[in-house]
Amino acid sequence: DTAVSQTPKYLVTQMGNDKSIKCEQNLGHDTMYWYKQDSKKFLKIMFSYNNKELIINETVPNRFSPKSPDKAHLNLHINSLELGDSAVYFCASSRQGSGIYEQYFGPGTRLTVT
Amino acid sequence: GESVGLHLPTLSVQEGDNSIINCAYSNSASDYFIWYKQESGKGPQFIIDIRSNMDKRQGQRVTVLLNKTVKHLSLQIAATQPGDSAVYFCAETGGGNKLTFGTGTQLKVEL
Repeated sequence: DTAVSQTPKYLVTQMGNDKSIKCEQNLGHDTMYWYKQDSKKFLKIMFSYNNKELIINETVPNRFSPKSPDKAHLNLHINSLELGDSAVYFCASSRQGSGIYEQYFGPGTRLTVT
Repeated sequence: GESVGLHLPTLSVQEGDNSIINCAYSNSASDYFIWYKQESGKGPQFIIDIRSNMDKRQGQRVTVLLNKTVKHLSLQIAATQPGDSAVYFCAETGGGNKLTFGTGTQLKVEL
């Protein structure tokens, strides 16, 4: 049973294109995240949604737009792709409450912009 | 796969030996710390966590030590196995669910 799934796993595209990455979790979590991992394995949060509402929005170009149609899904749309957008993008989810909860990560989407 | 120019700190250990992976953090307000394991081609996987009111926590073959005085965190893996080969990340938060990840350490287990 897949807990956090992402599609596609690999995405190769040309500069200037627009692409989307989809994420779904079946854990019943309220909070979902997008992370970017660069070529040096540095992992940085981009966005976080709680019950379809944006709660974390790091310094990310506005070409990146997350969309949460329901609390089980958080998609990432990227406009006008640039070479520097090449990275592995991870979706994650966690419970939400008064405490801090473990984040479960998806398998990642490797985006290559040529 | 790994990219050219990757400069992850690397720890090489013999199978069966104990491994110690270190992490320094800078945020004095951090009150929750987690270790994640990332195998090649996969997402990070939770290993163990510790809150700032503790200085040690043990799991199955793993122990996390927290020294708040010097802002240092370590992960000890007992009897390291080939399946432990991965990149290990520490992460911290000062509140809420916004995790800040460290740079990662590549653990290589030699047979």
